[in-house]
Amino acid sequence: NAGVTQTPKFQVLKTGQSMTLQCAQDMNHNSMYWYRQDPGMGLRLIYYSASEGTTDKGEVPNGYNVSRLNKREFSLRLESAAPSQTSVYFCASKATARNTEAFFGQGTRLTVV
Amino acid sequence: AQRVTQPEKLLSVFKGAPVELKCNYSYSGSPELFWYVQYSRQRLQLLLRHISRESIKGFTADLNKGETSFHLKKPFAQEEDSAMYYCALSGVGAGGTSYGKLTFGQGTILTVHP
Repeated sequence: NAGVTQTPKFQVLKTGQSMTLQCAQDMNHNSMYWYRQDPGMGLRLIYYSASEGTTDKGEVPNGYNVSRLNKREFSLRLESAAPSQTSVYFCASKATARNTEAFFGQGTRLTVV
Repeated sequence: AQRVTQPEKLLSVFKGAPVELKCNYSYSGSPELFWYVQYSRQRLQLLLRHISRESIKGFTADLNKGETSFHLKKPFAQEEDSAMYYCALSGVGAGGTSYGKLTFGQGTILTVHP
């Protein structure tokens, strides 16, 4: 059982380049999330999708877009990467929106130079 | 708006000492609160949730709505408890239309010395 899978694990981008972080879960979960983790800032919510067909902004959505492609997949796109987007990105999923455990991917370490 | 605050970025204790990791929240509705843990080189994982009122690995946490707190406690810390701990709140999204927004605090790095 793979759980939540993120690709790639590592990426280096030049300022202005674009890329898409992929996330897939095989647990038939309804809700999916994208976070960034920065030292001293903890986990900050970028975007989330409470159910298939819906997406909502989190705390730090600027510079990002998301697509809930289907129930399994939730991608995060950086249209024009900036050094401030250097971070570790985590995808997570939950069975339902209410009071259920969130399962996390292994993270993507992104460096923008 | 929902907000989670963990006032301590770092917490160090000696093995066998009691430990308390503080968590305060701001939320207008009825909150659902969790503690997650990230051990070195492992994925973030659920430690416990308030609704279960359970003790996991000797840790407990009580929701205090009057003080809007959900502190994590363990009477006797062990070296294997060293990790990053996150408090999290699940609430309603923008406009009250989407329940499922999961917000984390800044995290506390717990180090238990031998």
